[in-house]
Order: sequence, then C-alpha cells, then structure tokens
Amino acid sequence: EIVMTQSPATLSVSPGERATLSCRASQSVNSNLAWYQQAPGQAPRLLIYGASTRATGIPARFSGSGSGTEFTLTISSLQSEDFVVYYCEQYKDWPLLTFGGGTKVEI
Amino acid sequence: QVQLVESGGGLVKPGGSLRLSCAASGFTFSDYYMSWVRQAPGRGLEWVSYIWSGGTNTYYADSVKGRFTISRDNARNSLYLQMNSLRAEDTAVYYCARFIGGRFDFWGQGTLVTVSA
Repeated sequence: EIVMTQSPATLSVSPGERATLSCRASQSVNSNLAWYQQAPGQAPRLLIYGASTRATGIPARFSGSGSGTEFTLTISSLQSEDFVVYYCEQYKDWPLLTFGGGTKVEI
Repeated sequence: QVQLVESGGGLVKPGGSLRLSCAASGFTFSDYYMSWVRQAPGRGLEWVSYIWSGGTNTYYADSVKGRFTISRDNARNSLYLQMNSLRAEDTAVYYCARFIGGRFDFWGQGTLVTVSA
C-alpha cells in the first residue's frame, strides 16, 4: 500500500498570505495525485487532479505541483473560506486508493 | 447540476447490518464509476469501495472486504452499500462519490453510521 504523508498537520497563516502544503508518497505515484478541500461539517471538494490541473470552478489562487513522491498545494492569497482542512489522494495504485492524513489551515 | 443524496445511516449494534443508498441526479449515472468513502469522527478520509459503470466489477478496501457489498441500479440512478457484521470501527460518515480517472469529482453530504451497543 502506498502511504501518503501530509505536512504540517496544522499550518498557521494570516489572511492574504501564501500557504504551502506538502504531501509525500512512500513510493512514486507519477502525477496520479489529487487534492481535496473539506470545510467543517461539509463533504470534501475536489481542487486539483493530475497533480496540477484545477478542477472545474476552482479559483486560480489554488495551484498544485510536483511529481513522483513530492507534491505541493499552494494557496496564493488566503481568503477566509480557505481556513479549512486539505487532503491529498494517490490513485497510481488503482484500485487501491489512499489519502493523506490532512493538513488543517488555521488563522 | 450534479447531486448525490445519501440515506440509510443510523445507530446499529455490533454485528448488525445496515443498507445505505445514494440517489444521483444531474448526470448520466450509468456512464460513471461510483464509490463510497468514509470518515470516522475527527479522522481522515478512507476509500471503502467502488463499482464500475455497468456494475460488473467491484473493489473493496481490505478493512471491509467480505462484510460490505456495493451495488447499483442504473435504471433508478441509485448506488447502494450493504454493510454486514458491523464493528465499532465502522462508525463514520459515509459519502457517496462519483469517481472518474482516479479522483472523486462530486460528493454527497454523507450519512452517519454509528455502531454501538
């Protein structure tokens, strides 16, 4: 099983600043990586797939990069609604999909 | 617009059974793989199962294999999860999600399953 490790567990940032979230895979997943955003009490929302492609309707301030084992989600200028939890997911090992443990972005 | 609405959650005793349903609308249901993903209270996301568009192939996480069965009725635009031999560790919010190219592009709001004596 491919293990996905996200860091940090909690990221403290001020509104308007840039946030950089990391996701590491225990073995190469090429570009088969997605990012999700989850607000409290809400379902996850797909942000990024293919490591760097924004999903439909996702604002340009969200960007993804990386390949192989190291990935980054960058939020260029944090808005109030961005202070929630983010998860990465690998799908290289289909049909066995695995998620990271999540990063909480807090003010 | 795409809508996924889960139902069927509730409180069940260990060893009991429960059947979850997901009603889909706003897209051609029969064209898509579908999946269940769960989230234990205060925890991260865990993929549970998915089913091919025609229902011919299914896959399960090791944690539920042999106990859970995923199915679909394309005529009713519905997805199901039959959960047997439930354990305390199955307590979670269960999300129905559309699955494409390895990613979950639309999610329902979830239904809570609590396994407790």
